[in-house]
Amino acid sequence: GAVVSQHPSRVICKSGTSVKIECRSLDFQATTMFWYRQFPKQSLMLMATSNEGSKATYEQGVEKDKFLINHASLTLSTLTVTSAHPEDSSFYICSARDRGQSYQPQHFGDGTRLSIL
Amino acid sequence: GEDVEQSLFLSVREGDSSVINCTYTDSSSTYLYWYKQEPGAGLQLLTYIFSNMDMKQDQRLTVLLNKKDKHLSLRIADTQTGDSAIYFCAESTNTGFQKLVFGTGTRLLVSP
Repeated sequence: GAVVSQHPSRVICKSGTSVKIECRSLDFQATTMFWYRQFPKQSLMLMATSNEGSKATYEQGVEKDKFLINHASLTLSTLTVTSAHPEDSSFYICSARDRGQSYQPQHFGDGTRLSIL
Repeated sequence: GEDVEQSLFLSVREGDSSVINCTYTDSSSTYLYWYKQEPGAGLQLLTYIFSNMDMKQDQRLTVLLNKKDKHLSLRIADTQTGDSAIYFCAESTNTGFQKLVFGTGTRLLVSP
């Protein structure tokens, strides 16, 4: 089945550090990837849509200068949390849409637990 | 805008059937999905249904869709302790990016 690999799975770092999270589709090409944030015991909140070769589309209220997205190839999207602060601590999940399937499902990575001290 | 709602919690005994319900608002959704999330992990796609279908069965999973009432359900037959997790329904928006709108999630607890 379609596999999406997300790294790292856990990050603990000091306030002010920038953190990069990678999302790779391993066995399919993904022109569109999505980045979500999940707070404890809540649903997923879409942050942005990442499009290969073009600028990301951010949801309302998400700071594009804070959360930098790069989708440089058909299998890789990165999210960089710049100058992270404790309020950025959260569970970040990426997904990649498989256009090769008629029902175009989104397949998800295992998430990244980000803790800012 | 789109809104997807689910009951928050369901508790069943091992071997029973579980039924998780979902209501959505976007009648133009083409596909509806069910995802499973275990603690500390990402989401696993369980099944999906096309909007012109009423029912879909896949091994222990049965999806029922009532398009008139915008109601979706997931039935898990012979529920096992390993089925304990959070289950999310999601509808795809009928926009260029086909974003997913997720429900609030239902926590299923299966007791032995």
